[in-house]
Amino acid sequence: EAQVTQNPRYLITVTGKKLTVTCSQNMNHEYMSWYRQDPGLGLRQIYYSMNVEVTDKGDVPEGYKVSRKEKRNFPLILESPSPNQTSLYFCASTIRTGRIYTQYFGPGTRLTVL
Amino acid sequence: GENVEQHPSTLSVQEGDSAVIKCTYSDSASNYFPWYKQELGKGPQLIIDIRSNVGEKKDQRIAVTLNKTAKHFSLHITETQPEDSAVYFCAASRGGGTSYGKLTFGQGTILTVHP
Repeated sequence: EAQVTQNPRYLITVTGKKLTVTCSQNMNHEYMSWYRQDPGLGLRQIYYSMNVEVTDKGDVPEGYKVSRKEKRNFPLILESPSPNQTSLYFCASTIRTGRIYTQYFGPGTRLTVL
Repeated sequence: GENVEQHPSTLSVQEGDSAVIKCTYSDSASNYFPWYKQELGKGPQLIIDIRSNVGEKKDQRIAVTLNKTAKHFSLHITETQPEDSAVYFCAASRGGGTSYGKLTFGQGTILTVHP
């Protein structure tokens, strides 16, 4: 079954404690992205990756890092989390058809930073 | 950059009625407009999309229309059912080039279908 998986699904942590949210896709897609979802703001892109070892900033990259060492994995790293990073995070995997990029989302990770 | 506005923010209908959600976008270069449905505790799920060279697309009870001149697109759900209750997001994308299909989302519409 084609899918995007994220772990953990729920995480409560404290300010400054480094954490990593993992994302994996089994569709051999080249493109992957991270979004955060906040009430009234929709989904905003944090980082995206065009292929292994190729990443770039989205609209709200501050306070986040990513890496793409393997095609299937795209972890999101918060080196020093702060309360304003409390949010619902989604990983997305993207298939390209011509000039159209269709994104498929994971189930989400709800992060609370105290 | 692209800006997408979505209305209404909440929509309540009776089962069997139609529901319409509207979005406007700002970037005339956008060429791909997907709609996502998000149920409680789940990630957004693609339900229908439309490309800029098409004015309307239907899939059973769901249809999307696009007016490129006015830069707006709409989601139409007919014969609504309680299981249609969810949050719906519109999005726009330029595709190609250096944007790699980055999606800009609307703010979302909470649809409630009352039995």
